[in-house]
Amino acid sequence: QQQVKQSPQSLIVQKGGISIINCAYENTAFDYFPWYQQFPGKGPALLIAIRPDVSEKKEGRFTISFNKSAKQFSLHIMDSQPGDSATYFCAASRGSGGSNYKLTFGKGTLLTVNP
Amino acid sequence: DSGVTQTPKHLITATGQRVTLRCSPRSGDLSVYWYQQSLDQGLQFLIHYYNGEERAKGNILERFSAQQFPDLHSELNLSSLELGDSALYFCASSVLWSGAGGEQFFGPGTRLTVL
Repeated sequence: QQQVKQSPQSLIVQKGGISIINCAYENTAFDYFPWYQQFPGKGPALLIAIRPDVSEKKEGRFTISFNKSAKQFSLHIMDSQPGDSATYFCAASRGSGGSNYKLTFGKGTLLTVNP
Repeated sequence: DSGVTQTPKHLITATGQRVTLRCSPRSGDLSVYWYQQSLDQGLQFLIHYYNGEERAKGNILERFSAQQFPDLHSELNLSSLELGDSALYFCASSVLWSGAGGEQFFGPGTRLTVL
């Protein structure tokens, strides 16, 4: 059972454009939603994260939009740059209560930003 | 640099063999998580240790085991290796239980190739 569904699988954007990656989750117990960026040969690096008590969080060119009722969240990369070319993973976990805080990841989106 | 170190970086071995992967968490982090990344399964949670105690298991095979030592470093032991065990193995660390209580920071990974 895939608890976090991510789309698209790959995305090509022109420099300066907006990159949008979407994720949907099933487990309503999830209450922490991070995005990770991974370059080839490197480990995933935390980019930005959101909790469901807010609908949007912005950090520089990166924005997470969160829709609790639809159980969906998305990553927007404004003014996309060639250096943003990487694989992006959305994830979800339970951040409070319980004893298992494992991250459940989406399948990833390979973003290519053309110069 | 996340502050999480993993050794070795690459490991090539044969089917049926046993290997040990090592992870040193960030200074002060008590939680260590192990993840497996493969092309078909994506990033999958294996096991979580907190301050030396196992806290949760995910999709970890019985041939795999892990432990966290008093100095908080962790080892993942993979035995009776099969071709399908070839993958990237990441450890991540966090201060607390993680989730909203603390972000997970990933190491650079160990690439295991089973021939």
